[in-house]
Amino acid sequence: KQEVTQIPAALSVPEGENLVLNCSFTDSAIYNLQWFRQDPGKGLTSLLLIQSSQREQTSGRLNASLDKSSGRSTLYIAASQPGDSATYLCAVHTGNQFYFGTGTSLTVIP
Amino acid sequence: DAMVIQNPRYQVTQFGKPVTLSCSQTLNHNVMYWYQQKSSQAPKLLFHYYDKDFNNEADTPDNFQSRRPNTSFCFLDIRSPGLGDAAMYLCATSRDPGLSNQPQHFGDGTRLSIL
Repeated sequence: KQEVTQIPAALSVPEGENLVLNCSFTDSAIYNLQWFRQDPGKGLTSLLLIQSSQREQTSGRLNASLDKSSGRSTLYIAASQPGDSATYLCAVHTGNQFYFGTGTSLTVIP
Repeated sequence: DAMVIQNPRYQVTQFGKPVTLSCSQTLNHNVMYWYQQKSSQAPKLLFHYYDKDFNNEADTPDNFQSRRPNTSFCFLDIRSPGLGDAAMYLCATSRDPGLSNQPQHFGDGTRLSIL
């Protein structure tokens, strides 16, 4: 069974800092990996999707990479802003199921 | 423009009193999912519909049922809610999970409280 882990569980950084969030998974047989943002009491907002054949995807200040062989993905956030404060979750799609990590809670301090 | 809409945003019910949560989509996606998310935990898939085909996760309690009367709507019925069912319930859609470039789209969720 696929297991998805996100470390650290919480991260606090000063505004303007570049940061990296990590996601690891145990089975490399995946269709894609999706990064989401979740604000308190809200649903999930899709940030980036990386297909299994891709190495990275970029959207604005966000860059996500995927290394299937090592079972890892990273989400890079450039020049962090207080508005980036939220929980970031990754989800692996295996074709039959979506497996989520428990997320990294990010706080960007003004 | 909201594409996956969940109603209500907040639902309070009494222990043992049936409750129904609603989800609608304007994306015309084939698949609709229901997840349960408890505080600081990962979303847990309860079941999903691929068109009219219902797929129940093995560990989803019998207390939870779902209906999909048409492409746009899907309902989650909790027949006899217990205190442990208090959670955020998330609805999501995707066009075709067999395609690797198709993301899931989520609604804002319904926060269920049990008195």
